[in-house]
Amino acid sequence: EAQVTQNPRYLITVTGKKLTVTCSQNMNHEYMSWYRQDPGLGLRQIYYSMNVEVTDKGDVPEGYKVSRKEKRNFPLILESPSPNQTSLYFCASSLYGRGIFLGNEQFFGPGTRLTVL
Amino acid sequence: DQQVKQNSPSLSVQEGRISILNCDYTNSMFDYFLWYKKYPAEGPTFLISISSIKDKNEDGRFTVFLNKSAKHLSLHIVPSQPGDSAVYFCAASAGNQFYFGTGTSLTVIP
Repeated sequence: EAQVTQNPRYLITVTGKKLTVTCSQNMNHEYMSWYRQDPGLGLRQIYYSMNVEVTDKGDVPEGYKVSRKEKRNFPLILESPSPNQTSLYFCASSLYGRGIFLGNEQFFGPGTRLTVL
Repeated sequence: DQQVKQNSPSLSVQEGRISILNCDYTNSMFDYFLWYKKYPAEGPTFLISISSIKDKNEDGRFTVFLNKSAKHLSLHIVPSQPGDSAVYFCAASAGNQFYFGTGTSLTVIP
């Protein structure tokens, strides 16, 4: 089954304790991205990756890191989490990130609800 | 600053009638627009898209209209069904970045 998986689905942690949220897709997609969803703000893009070893900042990258060492995986790293990073996080992937004629619709994972105390 | 705006947080429609969801954007560089549907406890799922070279795209019960001069797009669902009850997000892209609206919660009343 074609899917995007995220782990963990729920996480409660404390300020300053490094954490990683994993994301994996099995569709051989080139483009992967991380978003956070907050009430009244919708979905905001944190980082995206056009392909292996190619990553770039989205709209709200502060406090986050990513890496893309393999095509299928795109982990989100919070080196020193703070309470303002409490949010619902989504990973997404698409065949291509660009190309208005190619259909760059993204497939989303189920989400990771993170609480930082 | 929100570049994509959905000014109606919620919408209720009778089953069988038309649902119209609206979205406005500010960046004239956006050239591709998408609508996603989201059920609780799930990730968004792609619904329909439109490129800036078109002004209308249809897929079954769903039609997206784009008015570039007004920087406005809308999603029409005809006829509306109870299973359409969800939060709908519009999104726009310029280059490789995507910008989402805040969502409209649609309730279709049986």
